[in-house]
Amino acid sequence: TQLLEQSPQFLSIQEGENLTVYCNSSSVFSSLQWYRQEPGEGPVLLVTVVTGGEVKKLKRLTFQFGDARKDSSLHITAAQPGDTGLYLCAGVGVGNEKLTFGTGTRLTIIP
Amino acid sequence: GAVVSQHPSRVICKSGTSVKIECRSLDFQATTMFWYRQFPKQSLMLMATSNEGSKATYEQGVEKDKFLINHASLTLSTLTVTSAHPEDSSFYICSAPDPGLDTQYFGPGTRLTVL
Repeated sequence: TQLLEQSPQFLSIQEGENLTVYCNSSSVFSSLQWYRQEPGEGPVLLVTVVTGGEVKKLKRLTFQFGDARKDSSLHITAAQPGDTGLYLCAGVGVGNEKLTFGTGTRLTIIP
Repeated sequence: GAVVSQHPSRVICKSGTSVKIECRSLDFQATTMFWYRQFPKQSLMLMATSNEGSKATYEQGVEKDKFLINHASLTLSTLTVTSAHPEDSSFYICSAPDPGLDTQYFGPGTRLTVL
């Protein structure tokens, strides 16, 4: 069974601060995705990283895929209240389309 | 862009009844769809893979006779929770991969409450 552990599980910080969320596994994934989920809604894809060592930027969000394709990180600079939500990483298995979701990080940005 | 819809968005039922949830891909055909369950304050757990024209593939620990899946067309998959009990109360979410875009789209979810 492939497991994805996210840390921290909960994070509450002031507006304007920076933060990093980690997603770690002992398994190798063909690619890794990051989602954000609002209460009562389905997750929305933020980014997909495919190549080991890849770095992608989405405005104030920076995503990195580990060299060994087992882990990833999400860094947010100058966090805003609109960034509040549940952040989920999800690994795409090698040779299939199944997603294994991480344990989730609930982020709260305090105005 | 591609959209996946679910119906109903919320359902409340009595214990012992069956509930059907529909998942539709609106802009593309999906030979495969996935069903997830999400308990409060937890992540998504894959329940089963729905395959058009063939039997669904269930994850370990998921009862196939309790969670009936039918993928009758390339745009519709249904999940029926049979003889529902309060412990089945959860947020059920489907997703469909769009092969042309190499990405998955998630439905808005269905909140099931069993009294």
